[in-house]
Amino acid sequence: SQTIHQWPATLVQPVGSPLSLECTVEGTSNPNLYWYRQAAGRGLQLLFYSVGIGQISSEVPQNLSASRPQDRQFILSSKKLLLSDSGFYLCAWSGSSSYNEQFFGPGTRLTVL
Amino acid sequence: AQSVTQLDSHVSVSEGTPVLLRCNYSSSYSPSLFWYVQHPNKGLQLLLKYTSAATLVKGINGFEAEFKKSETSFHLTKPSAHMSDAAEYFCVVRYKAAGNKLTFGGGTRVLVKP
Repeated sequence: SQTIHQWPATLVQPVGSPLSLECTVEGTSNPNLYWYRQAAGRGLQLLFYSVGIGQISSEVPQNLSASRPQDRQFILSSKKLLLSDSGFYLCAWSGSSSYNEQFFGPGTRLTVL
Repeated sequence: AQSVTQLDSHVSVSEGTPVLLRCNYSSSYSPSLFWYVQHPNKGLQLLLKYTSAATLVKGINGFEAEFKKSETSFHLTKPSAHMSDAAEYFCVVRYKAAGNKLTFGGGTRVLVKP
């Protein structure tokens, strides 16, 4: 069966520090991968998605970037964190068909101080 | 543009009573619709999905939802709430024209009273 992992689970970082969040998927090949951010008390905002290695689409202009160095690995990064980057970051995967639902990881709680 | 509206930001029910979470979507000839649940500080779990088959969809944990095209609605129901149902619920739409991108409703937080 397929599983999706995210780490770290929680992270507290100072403003201006770099960021690297990792997401890996097991049990499937060539998944579509997604990064979402959920601010406190709000819905999910799609940040990036990827349909293949090295293929990244950005949904909103921001302080973050994403990379997909391997088929089942998706990384969210920042060179310098802002206070507004605080939130709950969720990674998700789906099959390549248009009708496949997305499956979410456990999330990373990021607090920028 | 695609949109999803969850009509209640908070719903409070007593344990053992029915739960109704309302969701309306912007009109499209081929939407896929989902309900996800999120417990505090956890990821989202898929409850059920509609993808143009039967209009009454049964999901996990006793939940079900009915797709009504004439009303552009996809309300989630459960006949008898359990304490473990306390969570946030998201109605989600995927439009064929938008590829694999999902559009999320604002969420409904469910409180279950003993």
